This record gives sequence, C-alpha cells and structure tokens, in this order.
Amino acid sequence: ETGVTQTPRHLVMGMTNKKSLKCEQHLGHNAMYWYKQSAKKPLELMFVYNFKEQTENNSVPSRFSPECPNSSHLFLHLHTLQPEDSALYLCASSQSGLKLKETQYFGPGTRLLVL
Amino acid sequence: GNSVTQMEGPVTLSEEAFLTINCTYTATGYPSLFWYVQYPGEGLQLLLKATKADDKGSNKGFEATYRKETTSFHLEKGSVQVSDSAVYFCALSEGGGSNYKLTFGKGTLLTVNP
Repeated sequence: ETGVTQTPRHLVMGMTNKKSLKCEQHLGHNAMYWYKQSAKKPLELMFVYNFKEQTENNSVPSRFSPECPNSSHLFLHLHTLQPEDSALYLCASSQSGLKLKETQYFGPGTRLLVL
Repeated sequence: GNSVTQMEGPVTLSEEAFLTINCTYTATGYPSLFWYVQYPGEGLQLLLKATKADDKGSNKGFEATYRKETTSFHLEKGSVQVSDSAVYFCALSEGGGSNYKLTFGKGTLLTVNP
C-alpha cells in the first residue's frame, strides 16, 4: 500500500471525449505531481503542485488541464487528446517538494488508450 | 541540463546470480540520487537513496554508492530472486526555488528466471 491511489486504473477514450483522472494521497503530503510514462522513454514530469499552487508546467499541451482542489487530491482533465497521448499516467506526492532529499511516493497509475 | 543514463535492458539472469545495473548522471550541483523499482502493473516504489558523496543506500539486499568522482550510482545485488523481476529506474533530485524535481533514466527491465 503506497498511500497514493489513482482512478480509474484503465481508460479508453476517443479523441473527442472529455475525461478526468483522479489521484488521492493519504500521507499528509503537500506536494503532488503528474508524470507521463511512455514505452522506451524516461518518465516525463508534467505538473507540480505545492500547497495547492501549481509550481511547474513542463510545457504540457493545453489539452491536459490539472486541478488541485486541496493537498490530498489532484485531477488531470483530458480533452481532445491524440493517439500519441496513450501512456501510463502516474501521480506522486511528497512531503513538501522543497527538500533535495525528499522521497516521492507513486500511485499505481492510469493506463490510458486514445483511439 | 541534468540527465541520467542507465544501462540498456533487458537484463535476464538466473536466480542467485549477481546483479549490476549501471547508472551515471550529469548534474550542475550536488543532487540526491535514487533507485526506484516498478513491479508489473504497479507504480514506482523507492528502493534506496543516497544524499551525498560516498553515501551507500541499501534495501532488500540491493546497494548503490554515490560516487561523485565518476558521477555514478550503480545498483548491485549479490543474489537475485525471481521476485526481483521488475523495471528499475535511476533518478536524481535537482532544482530549487519553488520545488525540487526528479529526473529519471529510461529504466532497465530485469527478468530473473528460476
């Protein structure tokens, strides 16, 4: 049990659909992250939130829209995605995001397939 | 910019064999270094970490030493088990200001056969 849960675990959507990914952490952390994991590529950091404020947007296309209503929940809203957006989307959290030595704790991911 | 390079996989070993997965990094400052492991169908879990030069991280029989002179953080285990089959990621923590970020290598798939 990592303390970070993600729903749904699997998602298939068409390019015109709108869907949302949800992440919840039960660790009392204040920093949350979205990563994209594609085959044969390193994990790509997408967004970072510290204390509910977005502190990093790693040049992510606007068809991905994050939302962090509180320190325990993080959403990724998806609309008009492309097939190349198919990947495993991982959520992570850490204590504050402000310390070099911090460990990030990951959820199991949402496997997304865009048709 | 900062980067992490780890050996290309896949790596296939027999049970009880010795494991080494090489990892080297490029960083402008003094990063913390991590090994994460991803078991099939799961997210990443921290395996071990080292936060300064010459530190040795260890966990579950795995070890890695932070070598500043060679900018390396190679993962080793003396005797692997079938249950060690997973993808292993080397990562460094860098940045500052509003937050620190993890930069990951591409991952190395390890398969251990009985």
